[in-house]
Amino acid sequence: GAGVSQSPRYKVAKRGQDVALRCDPISGHVSLFWYQQALGQGPEFLTYFQNEAQLDKSGLPSDRFFAERPEGSVSTLKIQRTQQEDSAVYLCASSLDYQLREQFFGPGTRLTVL
Amino acid sequence: DAKTTQPNSMESNEEEPVHLPCNHSTISGTDYIHWYRQLPSQGPEYVIHGLTSNVNNRMASLAIAEDRKSSTLILHRATLRDAAVYYCILRRSAGGTSYGKLTFGQGTILTVHP
Repeated sequence: GAGVSQSPRYKVAKRGQDVALRCDPISGHVSLFWYQQALGQGPEFLTYFQNEAQLDKSGLPSDRFFAERPEGSVSTLKIQRTQQEDSAVYLCASSLDYQLREQFFGPGTRLTVL
Repeated sequence: DAKTTQPNSMESNEEEPVHLPCNHSTISGTDYIHWYRQLPSQGPEYVIHGLTSNVNNRMASLAIAEDRKSSTLILHRATLRDAAVYYCILRRSAGGTSYGKLTFGQGTILTVHP
């Protein structure tokens, strides 16, 4: 069956460029999470959507980071004016609902900012 | 959020049992104990979770101490495919503003020798 997919899998950006990372969650999953994983570290929470509503964006590191999920399905994480410290793997996860269901993760997008 | 403590790394031989410990001395009564693992170049995947009683599933067993201040993930017969980073995570039950986000620590790097 189809799992969570993310695109692109790899992205190289020059410092100052804007990037957009896409997440296709499992169909019917209400909850969607974005995480950032620096090299050698565990993933860190960025933001959470319940359907199309962004209910928690406390983990977004700066106002250069913006996420949306306009129709409650596909989500896009946008990073404006990328900096070298934004280099990381960006993981998307979806869950059936907001209860303690398991989260299904995508393979991630590896962003390298030169 | 309550914190977990895990050894940085552990080693095992193929076909032998593996016991991965986790300390969570500040766990609250509403915290569930979740385990995820992350294989190289993949997103994390759910392994098992529990509240008070020991749990078994097709992947592993979870043994929870009576005072709930520690737990152990048990892989009954390690295979080379089990080589991964294992994360022990506390998740607050539904309610409040956590929405079930996962707070990862450093995890335990498990190496399995043939």
